[in-house]
Amino acid sequence: EPEVTQTPSHQVTQMGQEVILRCVPISNHLYFYWYRQILGQKVEFLVSFYNNEISEKSEIFDDQFSVERPDGSNFTLKIRSTKLEDSAMYFCASRGATQTQYFGPGTRLLVL
Amino acid sequence: AQKVTQAQTEISVVEKEDVTLDCVYETRDTTYYLFWYKQPPSGELVFLIRRNSFDEQNEISGRYSWNFQKSTSSFNFTITASQVVDSAVYFCALSDAYGFNDYKLSFGAGTTVTVRA
Repeated sequence: EPEVTQTPSHQVTQMGQEVILRCVPISNHLYFYWYRQILGQKVEFLVSFYNNEISEKSEIFDDQFSVERPDGSNFTLKIRSTKLEDSAMYFCASRGATQTQYFGPGTRLLVL
Repeated sequence: AQKVTQAQTEISVVEKEDVTLDCVYETRDTTYYLFWYKQPPSGELVFLIRRNSFDEQNEISGRYSWNFQKSTSSFNFTITASQVVDSAVYFCALSDAYGFNDYKLSFGAGTTVTVRA
């Protein structure tokens, strides 16, 4: 069964450093999303991406964040200058023509 | 604006008991989708079910069942004869296209279910 994959599973970084979180969506899906979950809290929408452009972004997704689909398979989230409050689990999701989003296993980001 | 409320923060049951998780939602759209996801201790989000707003038929899948009531804006989830493996955080979520928001998911706060042997 096809699944969404994410790398790395864990990332530790120093405040102010740039991080890139990688996702490989399900191959025939066209809509891609990033969500985050701060420890013990609910899952929050960050950004949606379709047809090589951002279709919607939340207030959380400020200028420090960017997304890219550099090739036909990867979907990346970059945080330019990490802050302590960026520490969270980041989930990538994708969907096809149906409304069901399938999530990757997440990347746990810790900013020190 | 979309809103999903899961009033129960934690539920603890003994194995084989039934457990019902409540979910109440708000949306301005007439076409919307409701979901339940399971987050086991390992942390991933596992899709359980999607229900379309125009389909109020209840659904049963093994020990899981879902009760969608549009009149009360609720989409409740019941686990029958719970097992220890059901221990997880369960999230209710809503997506719609109101204002062309691209069907992003709005999640509830989650209900932590602990099943004791």
